[in-house]
Amino acid sequence: GENVEQHPSTLSVQEGDSAVIKCTYSDSASNYFPWYKQELGKRPQLIIDIRSNVGEKKDQRIAVTLNKTAKHFSLHITETQPEDSAVYFCAASMRSSNTGKLIFGQGTTLQVKP
Amino acid sequence: DTEVTQTPKHLVMGMTNKKSLKCEQHMGHRAMYWYKQKAKKPPELMFVYSYEKLSINESVPSRFSPECPNSSLLNLHLHALQPEDSALYLCASSWTSGANNEQFFGPGTRLTVL
Repeated sequence: GENVEQHPSTLSVQEGDSAVIKCTYSDSASNYFPWYKQELGKRPQLIIDIRSNVGEKKDQRIAVTLNKTAKHFSLHITETQPEDSAVYFCAASMRSSNTGKLIFGQGTTLQVKP
Repeated sequence: DTEVTQTPKHLVMGMTNKKSLKCEQHMGHRAMYWYKQKAKKPPELMFVYSYEKLSINESVPSRFSPECPNSSLLNLHLHALQPEDSALYLCASSWTSGANNEQFFGPGTRLTVL
């Protein structure tokens, strides 16, 4: 079955530094890759997503890159702030799927130290 | 209204109790999902409803019974649960169940089974 691996499991950075989280997926038919941020005790919230016909997407301090050949995608956060501290989940969904099923990575706990 | 709401926020129940979790959205979404999330783990898909019909059951034990009374409401009926069922139960919705559709999550119900 499809699998998504996410690294690192924990990441600690100094405020203002950049943070990078990487995910690898197994199914080459995957074509939608969302990233969710989940603060402690709160719901997962979509922060950015990318589709397989695009190699990179940016939204202010957040960017996602996709390498279809290598089957991996990455989240880049620049100029990190303490409020970026949260658990981040990557996910993948297959184009052929009409079920909406997302395969999630195991999550990365990001800590931004002031 | 651009949110998914869930009630109750917290629920404590014994193993012989029957209870229900409720989820509601008024965004006109035609796909709704139930997820189970354990601490520090990604959401695990349980059920998917598409146009009010059950389209996915991820081999969930029968002590969990989903119901979709209409396109805005989703229930999860609980009966004879086990302590290991204690978790955060998240509801989500999307325009349709096809790939590429952003899933919007509710705040979750924190369930404790004694």
